[in-house]
Amino acid sequence: NAGVMQNPRHLVRRRGQEARLRCSPMKGHSHVYWYRQLPEEGLKFMVYLQKENIIDESGMPKERFSAEFPKEGPSILRIQQVVRGDSAAYFCASSPLKVAGAGPEAFFGQGTRLTVV
Amino acid sequence: GDSVTQMEGPVTLSEEAFLTINCTYTATGYPSLFWYVQYPGEGLQLLLKATKADDKGSNKGFEATYRKETTSFHLEKGSVQVSDSAVYFCALDPAGGTSYGKLTFGQGTILTVHP
Repeated sequence: NAGVMQNPRHLVRRRGQEARLRCSPMKGHSHVYWYRQLPEEGLKFMVYLQKENIIDESGMPKERFSAEFPKEGPSILRIQQVVRGDSAAYFCASSPLKVAGAGPEAFFGQGTRLTVV
Repeated sequence: GDSVTQMEGPVTLSEEAFLTINCTYTATGYPSLFWYVQYPGEGLQLLLKATKADDKGSNKGFEATYRKETTSFHLEKGSVQVSDSAVYFCALDPAGGTSYGKLTFGQGTILTVHP
């Protein structure tokens, strides 16, 4: 059973370009979460998606960032017109359907390290 | 809102030393608590978890007990190895009927173990 797969592992973009980060959840997992880890900081929640639905995007910057999780294919985190401050590690996690009263653990991918030059 | 506070690092130990990394939390309701470990250049791996008060999570010689009265989930290991060098994150997941697996992380503690 493959784990959470993210690609690319490393991505370099010039200021003003677009960055697309992909995440394939574990088999059987219908919940996807994106987190951002700025240098020397902990992970910060960005967005929570289920298939074809954004459930919680309270951690997403208001502009330039968007996320989707289509019926078929991986989840995509898209950053338009990147700036140097977007340089970070972006982690995707997935979990199965949540059972009330007990939180299933989220399984993390290895992350995409975005560098904006 | 929910929050997690970890002891500041970095922590540097000699091999076979005793390890404690403190973690306290603030949350409404009854969260699940986790420790994740991040080895250099890798993603996070779940190390252990506890889902209710007085539960003890354990794995690979690491332990942490969910203390509701002190809102703490301190990580301990009796004898660390060089291979334990990594960043350790404490996290919580609010539990309950309508909540979901959105984790709140502490800032992470860097552990370096010397031979």
